[in-house]
Amino acid sequence: AQRVTQPEKLLSVFKGAPVELKCNYSYSGSPELFWYVQYSRQRLQLLLRHISRESIKGFTADLNKGETSFHLKKPFAQEEDSAMYYCALSGRGGTSYGKLTFGQGTILTVHP
Amino acid sequence: DGGITQSPKYLFRKEGQNVTLSCEQNLNHDAMYWYRQDPGQGLRLIYYSQIVNDFQKGDIAEGYSVSREKKESFPLTVTSAQKNPTAFYLCASSSEQVLFTEAFFGQGTRLTVV
Repeated sequence: AQRVTQPEKLLSVFKGAPVELKCNYSYSGSPELFWYVQYSRQRLQLLLRHISRESIKGFTADLNKGETSFHLKKPFAQEEDSAMYYCALSGRGGTSYGKLTFGQGTILTVHP
Repeated sequence: DGGITQSPKYLFRKEGQNVTLSCEQNLNHDAMYWYRQDPGQGLRLIYYSQIVNDFQKGDIAEGYSVSREKKESFPLTVTSAQKNPTAFYLCASSSEQVLFTEAFFGQGTRLTVV
């Protein structure tokens, strides 16, 4: 079975402070990990994926297979980063092939 | 304009009635998904389909049914057996032909039982 856990439902930081949104996963094969973001009154959209190893809007995420984690980080938070963030996992093997599983989500609020 | 379209945006249902939520995509994606989004519970998978005429139960399939007769369409029926149907429903699609692809989401349907 595949599972994604985001331990923080709410996260508040001040503008300019570092931010880290935690994500842990459970999967027996080689997963694909993603971070999705939902800004107010907008549809859910992809922020970044682990395979790309890219930085989007200043955010990065490193896949740690030993700790089964995929934490999202940004060194200096901006007010426009306030949104709901979901960590997601896609399985590419066995009975979980193609199944996209999301975590519970973390609401990030960046205060001025 | 390519994308994934859900309709209606708002839906009201009387208790004991079945209701069907529409989801259409013109992205030529193989896989389609239905999620339920509740405050504090995040996104939970109801059903998903990787190819036409085939679908799999997700984590909370009870009280729901789906069909996948066409590649473009994946309607979700909320039956009277669903005990707490009031929620925000999201449909998504992704390509199974592209490695490490992303899922694209619709704008959602808010269902309210009255």
